[in-house]
Amino acid sequence: DAMVIQNPRYQVTQFGKPVTLSCSQTLNHNVMYWYQQKSSQAPKLLFHYYDKDFNNEADTPDNFQSRRPNTSFCFLDIRSPGLGDAAMYLCATSRAKVETQYFGPGTRLLVL
Amino acid sequence: GQQLNQSPQSMFIQEGEDVSMNCTSSSIFNTWLWYKQDPGEGPVLLIALYKAGELTSNGRLTAQFGITRKDSFLNISASIPSDVGIYFCAGQLGLNYGGSQGNLIFGKGTKLSVKP
Repeated sequence: DAMVIQNPRYQVTQFGKPVTLSCSQTLNHNVMYWYQQKSSQAPKLLFHYYDKDFNNEADTPDNFQSRRPNTSFCFLDIRSPGLGDAAMYLCATSRAKVETQYFGPGTRLLVL
Repeated sequence: GQQLNQSPQSMFIQEGEDVSMNCTSSSIFNTWLWYKQDPGEGPVLLIALYKAGELTSNGRLTAQFGITRKDSFLNISASIPSDVGIYFCAGQLGLNYGGSQGNLIFGKGTKLSVKP
């Protein structure tokens, strides 16, 4: 089945230690999104790639970066995780910008 | 910025009861989406609505796109224990939003609990 895959599902890192989260998709969608979701809140968009074009939300901290080496993969890099960055990180994809977004299962990040 | 008001915030119902939740906005959306999120998982798309007035069903779920394009509701009939979770509405920004086109504006969610 075509799907959005996130690895790992759970990630533990230390305060200040860089961490990378991974997303892959078999849908061949052009757009890939990264969201941060904290407990009891709605997902919050960090940035998205439309093909190779990177679009950063205005309030996304510089600590968060992303890479999309090819259509199928997109990475979220947190350069120096703080305790406040502990959250669920969701990847989503859509065929085009104004088409339906499909979410992956998420990666729960714990910062010690 | 755009905001969605989703209500109720939580519901605690008996198995077999019908459920209704809704979202309203001060802005117009071209697309309304309803997602369900289980604990520790990503949101799963339930229903997508693309036209004002559209009424769409998916099994026991029915959703409508309000005629003013500023609201939507989701009904669940004959609830069962596996309906438990958080339901999010989301309005999708259209082509006239430049770099933000396609972005989702989420409601705060409705937490549904079902008592067997």
